[in-house]
Amino acid sequence: EVQLVESGGGLIQPGGSLRLSCAASGLTFSNYAMSWVRQAPGKGLEWVSSISVSGIIYHADSVKGRFTISRDNPKSTVFLQMSSLRADDTAVYYCAKDRGTWTRSLDHWGQGTLVIVSS
Amino acid sequence: QSALTQPASVSGSPGQSITISCTGTSSDIGGSNYVSWYQQHPGKAPKLMIYDVSNRPSGVSNRFSGSKSGNTASLTISGLQAEDEADYYCVSYTDTSLYVFGTGTKVTVL
Repeated sequence: EVQLVESGGGLIQPGGSLRLSCAASGLTFSNYAMSWVRQAPGKGLEWVSSISVSGIIYHADSVKGRFTISRDNPKSTVFLQMSSLRADDTAVYYCAKDRGTWTRSLDHWGQGTLVIVSS
Repeated sequence: QSALTQPASVSGSPGQSITISCTGTSSDIGGSNYVSWYQQHPGKAPKLMIYDVSNRPSGVSNRFSGSKSGNTASLTISGLQAEDEADYYCVSYTDTSLYVFGTGTKVTVL
């Protein structure tokens, strides 16, 4: 059974940095593209970042230059390094797995980790 | 890239069919065969219900079906059940903005 477990969320001051982790199990991690999707309190879903099996990265314009996605295949983990955090980055951050190497659909999601940016 | 437009809410009685629309542009839905739909119950992670416009992942009920016409995609839920009450999001993949999500639709079972 595929499992994705996010960690690293918490309360952070504006301008601060945080690194989220997503540990995957039950799959051959290196065969799948991975993504981060966030959801602000009471709001809809917003795509944040994706990384291909070969390590090519993509970021939404709203986080470009501030967030970086990366992966560690031997550890079956994907990361989201977040810096220059702002209040509007407050959200639950979900890690999600592509159905394949790059099928453009996300078939497994973690339970999310909450990031609160506030002074 | 702007969010795709969905109705804020759709409701139906048990056993009825409902359809949720998702309207975009020729730059996203109209030009993409990669439209997905996700179901999200309160406090839970999203669940993939439809991918590539009209395909169902294994384990998803055949009461859920997807389609697309022009710049609008649709999700139809037939034989509505209480457990279908949730939020639903469409997503279109684009080469420029990758995943563009819809605004979300709350489905209420009366």
